[in-house]
Amino acid sequence: AQSVTQLDSHVSVSEGTPVLLRCNYSSSYSPSLFWYVQHPNKGLQLLLKYTSAATLVKGINGFEAEFKKSETSFHLTKPSAHMSDAAEYFCVVSDRRNEKLTFGTGTRLTIIP
Amino acid sequence: GAGVSQSPSNKVTEKGKDVELRCDPISGHTALYWYRQSLGQGLEFLIYFQGNSAPDKSGLPSDRFSAERTGGSVSTLTIQRTQQEDSAVYLCASSLGRAKAGNTIYFGEGSWLTVV
Repeated sequence: AQSVTQLDSHVSVSEGTPVLLRCNYSSSYSPSLFWYVQHPNKGLQLLLKYTSAATLVKGINGFEAEFKKSETSFHLTKPSAHMSDAAEYFCVVSDRRNEKLTFGTGTRLTIIP
Repeated sequence: GAGVSQSPSNKVTEKGKDVELRCDPISGHTALYWYRQSLGQGLEFLIYFQGNSAPDKSGLPSDRFSAERTGGSVSTLTIQRTQQEDSAVYLCASSLGRAKAGNTIYFGEGSWLTVV
C-alpha cells in the first residue's frame, strides 16, 4: 500500500522569505513522487516530479524538492516566496504497481505582504 | 486541444437525477483518469483508461458510477440516482503513457457537481 502525509495543513510565510512544505510518503515499491499546485478555482498543475533519477528535482517557478529515501521524505522548497505562490499544494505518490496516484490532504500556502 | 477540457464546469442537480460529465483529453494522450475531490475526502482515484485495455474501475465508489471512453478519446462519467454525498469536484486527467512509468499527468479544471 502507498500513502502520503503532508505535515502541515496551512503554512504562512512573508513575501521574499523561504518556503518549506513538508511531505512524507510510504510505499512498498520504488515510488514516483510529484508535487502539484492548485490555485483557487483552477485545475491541478504539476510543479515537479521524481522518478528515480536525480534526488534533487527542480520544477517550475523556482520550486525544488529533494527525495530522501532514508527519511521517506519529499519536501518542497523555494528560496523566496512570491505573492503568486499563494495556493494549495499537493504531494502525490505512485508506487508504480498500478496507475493510482495517492494524494496528500494538501497544504494551503498563504503569503503575507 | 491545448489542455484537458471538461464540461460542464458547474452542475447543480436534484437528488435522484442522473448526471453525465464529459472529458476531452489532450490530443494523442492514451491514458485517461477520473478523480474526485471532495471536502473531507481529499482527492480519490475513480477510474483509469489506457488505450484499448480494460479500464481499472477499482476506485468507483458504487455501482451508480460508470464511465466509458469512446474511440480512445472523449470520456463520459455517469452518476445515476445522484445522492448528496456525490457533491464534489470531478477531475479528469490525461497522460501520454502510464503514470507508473513516470509520465506526467495533466489535469483539467474539473466539473463542480452539487446535488440538492
